[in-house]
Amino acid sequence: DTGVSQDPRHKITKRGQNVTFRCDPISEHNRLYWYRQTLGQGPEFLTYFQNEAQLEKSRLLSDRFSAERPKGSFSTLEIQRTEQGDSAMYLCASSLGRSHNEQFFGPGTRLTVL
Amino acid sequence: AQSVTQPDIHITVSEGASLELRCNYSYGATPYLFWYVQSPGQGLQLLLKYFSGDTLVQGIKGFEAEFKRSQSSFNLRKPSVHWSDAAEYFCAVGSYNTDKLIFGTGTRLQVFP
Repeated sequence: DTGVSQDPRHKITKRGQNVTFRCDPISEHNRLYWYRQTLGQGPEFLTYFQNEAQLEKSRLLSDRFSAERPKGSFSTLEIQRTEQGDSAMYLCASSLGRSHNEQFFGPGTRLTVL
Repeated sequence: AQSVTQPDIHITVSEGASLELRCNYSYGATPYLFWYVQSPGQGLQLLLKYFSGDTLVQGIKGFEAEFKRSQSSFNLRKPSVHWSDAAEYFCAVGSYNTDKLIFGTGTRLQVFP
């Protein structure tokens, strides 16, 4: 068990560019979550998958955001036409089973939009 | 709507002193409650959780928390703080009906020697 990994750890981009982040969950975990954390705030839920199915999306997830988990293993989060307001830490978590089970978090990807 | 309030943004304690971090939640049904800790450059780590049974739950690193339904609270406690406990602490709520967690804004703990 190597834990949840995220790549890259840091990303600096210019406004208007597209960025893609990757999350590799713990291997046997069927649920995968994306959260966003801005400075001085707690993580905010964006979306989650059970296997390859995307089951819930937050209102925070505008049309510029898309997430996939094509084979029920790793997931990608893409942001198109980035804006300065997208600057944040993007956290991925995974869990085995239902809601009372622990969500294991990765170290996050810090996005800075210039 | 679910919400979590952590009234204390920043707490400072001396090493060896006791600690209590406050958490209040708002949710209509029976909540699942969690405390996570986040150290600089590290991912969130689960300290403890409550979803049923005994309202006093024990966690890792000597932490405990007590669920009080009448007060809608889930305060985190530790009898003697160590310098390595300095970090950001987040309370979160979930439920049977949803798998997402709603987090509070966090409490930053500073420990003086």
